[in-house]
Amino acid sequence: EVQLVESGGGLVQPGSPLKLSCAASGFTFSSNWLNWIRQAPGKGLEWVASINPDGSSTYYPDTVKGRFVVSKDNAKNTGYLQMNNLRSEDTAMYYCARRRSLDYWGQGVMVTVSS
Amino acid sequence: DVVLTQTPPTSSATIGQSVSISCRSSQSLLDSDGNTYLYWYLQRPSQSPQLLIYLVSKLGSGVPNRFSGSGSGTDFTLKISGVEAEDLGVYYCVQGTHDHTFGAGTKLELK
Repeated sequence: EVQLVESGGGLVQPGSPLKLSCAASGFTFSSNWLNWIRQAPGKGLEWVASINPDGSSTYYPDTVKGRFVVSKDNAKNTGYLQMNNLRSEDTAMYYCARRRSLDYWGQGVMVTVSS
Repeated sequence: DVVLTQTPPTSSATIGQSVSISCRSSQSLLDSDGNTYLYWYLQRPSQSPQLLIYLVSKLGSGVPNRFSGSGSGTDFTLKISGVEAEDLGVYYCVQGTHDHTFGAGTKLELK
């Protein structure tokens, strides 16, 4: 069974860093793209980052480019989202999802940026 | 950047009624590899989104065949033929041809 489990969320102050993890199981993690998507409270979905199967290429929207870094450790079947210089507008539920089709999603982890 | 415009923002339906949701893209979603990476998802309250339709019209794993997708280029439609109570939630179209962009969502409610 394909499973994605996010962790690492919490309450942080503006300007702080935070690193999210996405633990994968039930499929060949090293052969799959990994994506991060977020959803602010009561709002729609926003793509945040993507990484190719071997981790050599990464992609970001302008809203997080230069602040967020996506990575994956294929030996540990785990993906990561390093978020730096967090802002109040980064407050959201963060999901990881597999493949370009986003065919499987995790349950999400909440990140709150507030002083 | 690609913008996806979903209409209507809200749809009210009775059980058994058929419903259509439109998704219009600001650019063609036909990729150079010949595929059109347009997807549809349903997010039920307090749940993660689930894939319904991929590559415009292909049914996701375990998705009932009352869901169907159609379209090409910049105009796409999701149709639910006979709404059931479990279909209530927010529907999103997503494009994966040019990075990823999400539509604003269509909330399906019971009339």
